[in-house]
Amino acid sequence: DVKVTQSSRYLVKRTGEKVFLECVQDMDHENMFWYRQDPGLGLRLIYFSYDVKMKEKGDIPEGYSVSREKKERFSLILESASTNQTSMYLCASTTLGQGAKDTQYFGPGTRLTVL
Amino acid sequence: AQKITQTQPGMFVQEKEAVTLDCTYDTSDQSYGLFWYKQPSSGEMIFLIYQGSYDEQNATEGRYSLNFQKARKSANLVISASQLGDSAMYFCAMRTLSGNTPLVFGKGTRLSVIA
Repeated sequence: DVKVTQSSRYLVKRTGEKVFLECVQDMDHENMFWYRQDPGLGLRLIYFSYDVKMKEKGDIPEGYSVSREKKERFSLILESASTNQTSMYLCASTTLGQGAKDTQYFGPGTRLTVL
Repeated sequence: AQKITQTQPGMFVQEKEAVTLDCTYDTSDQSYGLFWYKQPSSGEMIFLIYQGSYDEQNATEGRYSLNFQKARKSANLVISASQLGDSAMYFCAMRTLSGNTPLVFGKGTRLSVIA
């Protein structure tokens, strides 16, 4: 079974702190994604990566950065957390090329609260 | 650019009855895939069903079926014989099959199954 894990289920941080959200997948997937989920807005793509050291901006990259030093690990970084970044963060992975039925596999999510 | 529209923020259904969750999409691509995910209160995203744009038959997976109407650009999810465990958020998503592209999600529909 594909397993995508995220470092924390719940996280509380203060405004201005630097926050790291870690995601690890064990299926040798090339593609990894970070989404944030807010009520009434669905899932919005923050960043994605097709390979080690590669990254692409999604729809809402402002205020975030990412790091992919190893194939299995994709980190989301909030350089200076703000209250409007309080949200559920979901990581996902899938194979390169994404054949027709290749769905994205999701981690359990990290619910981040910024005070 | 692709867009997914789910017009029903919330729905109620009686246990053992069928329910249809609406999804319309917009894309200029000819080759694309449509996905439905379930998100229970625990937060994990569970893949339910897939439909390819060139698939001639509607997809079915157990109690789930996808009513695909290409000309109308709709991909409604039908759940037959609803169960209490079906209560969850449901997300429709799509991606083009040309190139390595992420999923684009709708805003979701919250389904509540009543005993």
